[in-house]
Amino acid sequence: DTAVSQTPKYLVTQMGNDKSIKCEQNLGHDTMYWYKQDSKKFLKIMFSYNNKELIINETVPNRFSPKSPDKAHLNLHINSLELGDSAVYFCASRIRNEQFFGPGTRLTVL
Amino acid sequence: SQQGEEDPQALSIQEGENATMNCSYKTSINNLQWYRQNSGRGLVHLILIRSNEREKHSGRLRVTLDTSKKSSSLLITASRAADTASYFCATDWNQGGKLIFGQGTELSVKP
Repeated sequence: DTAVSQTPKYLVTQMGNDKSIKCEQNLGHDTMYWYKQDSKKFLKIMFSYNNKELIINETVPNRFSPKSPDKAHLNLHINSLELGDSAVYFCASRIRNEQFFGPGTRLTVL
Repeated sequence: SQQGEEDPQALSIQEGENATMNCSYKTSINNLQWYRQNSGRGLVHLILIRSNEREKHSGRLRVTLDTSKKSSSLLITASRAADTASYFCATDWNQGGKLIFGQGTELSVKP
């Protein structure tokens, strides 16, 4: 009965690799987000989709590409991973003004 | 940067005491929200206060908002060990769902 789920929970990979993180929400919300939380717990929005349409695209390297196959899913693909990409990535969905966060994916780039 | 600031960065109290966290922000807002993050988990929405509200209560939580000072405070009364977590304020400036988060206050409640 998890509301917002992400896979994988942990991801350890080498520099230069390409990886994907998946997110699914079963809340029926139209809007979904990707956030990045760094080691100092600073949380910053990366992307937002509303009903499969990109509506927010912050200053994120184009190595990051979100994809929304349907409004319940928002995946994040990262090409050519760099050390600085190491962080916890959170997916969230929104109803009215409240956002519901997934458990996070801890990405470690070696 | 639009990012808000939270104060203190860390707070350690005894169970039963009250905890107060402050948040300052830079732009006009539509609403301000507080979230809790337990260690290793996602954020959980606690409470929202609109720009035309000055105070709001939810259980043991009390939030105030002073738009003239661009600041908010979160008070947790009669704290419990289970309240140990990081607390973040987030501002929504255009109701478009783009939240700007503060850097958080790490609260430790000792039994």
